[in-house]
Amino acid sequence: AQSVAQPEDQVNVAEGNPLTVKCTYSVSGNPYLFWYVQYPNRGLQFLLKYITGDNLVKGSYGFEAEFNKSQTSFHLKKPSALVSDSALYFCVVYNNNDMRFGAGTRLTVKP
Amino acid sequence: GAVVSQHPSWVICKSGTSVKIECRSLDFQATTMFWYRQFPKQSLMLMATSNEGSKATYEQGVEKDKFLINHASLTLSTLTVTSAHPEDSSFYICSAGPGPNSNQPQHFGDGTRLSIL
Repeated sequence: AQSVAQPEDQVNVAEGNPLTVKCTYSVSGNPYLFWYVQYPNRGLQFLLKYITGDNLVKGSYGFEAEFNKSQTSFHLKKPSALVSDSALYFCVVYNNNDMRFGAGTRLTVKP
Repeated sequence: GAVVSQHPSWVICKSGTSVKIECRSLDFQATTMFWYRQFPKQSLMLMATSNEGSKATYEQGVEKDKFLINHASLTLSTLTVTSAHPEDSSFYICSAGPGPNSNQPQHFGDGTRLSIL
């Protein structure tokens, strides 16, 4: 069975500092990995995905994520956080129509 | 622009009422749609997988007679919460995608906030 873990419920960073939101996964085969962001009372917005190829993927709003097969991780990063990045972030593993969500990490960027 | 439209975005109704939520894919055909429920400060809980032209597949613990799903066309799936009670109050989200084994991301609706009085 596949699973996704986001070890941090909450991440706080100061505006302008780099941010990292962690994600690890357990899946058989080659996973499709996604990051989504959710703003209050809204659905999820797609940020980026890893399917194959370059381990560093770039996505929307300046976010990027690095696929690390040996550590089974797919951490979300941004070099310089903005207050507007404050939201709930979900890491998702998708394989054979089976979608698994991480528990979510609430990112708060303080001015 | 939005590729998945979910309607309504807010519903407030009395206990015992049945509520229908629509999920439409706007510019693509969705052979598969997913329905989720999200409690405050929690992740999404998959309720069911809706397949066009066939019966929905419900996750364990989800009452299929309570949460009726119809996927009558490639662009529309509906979730009906029958005889809703206060414990059904939640945030319901749908997603749509091109189908099994696709590496394309799911597109999510903006969710429906259901409040049962």
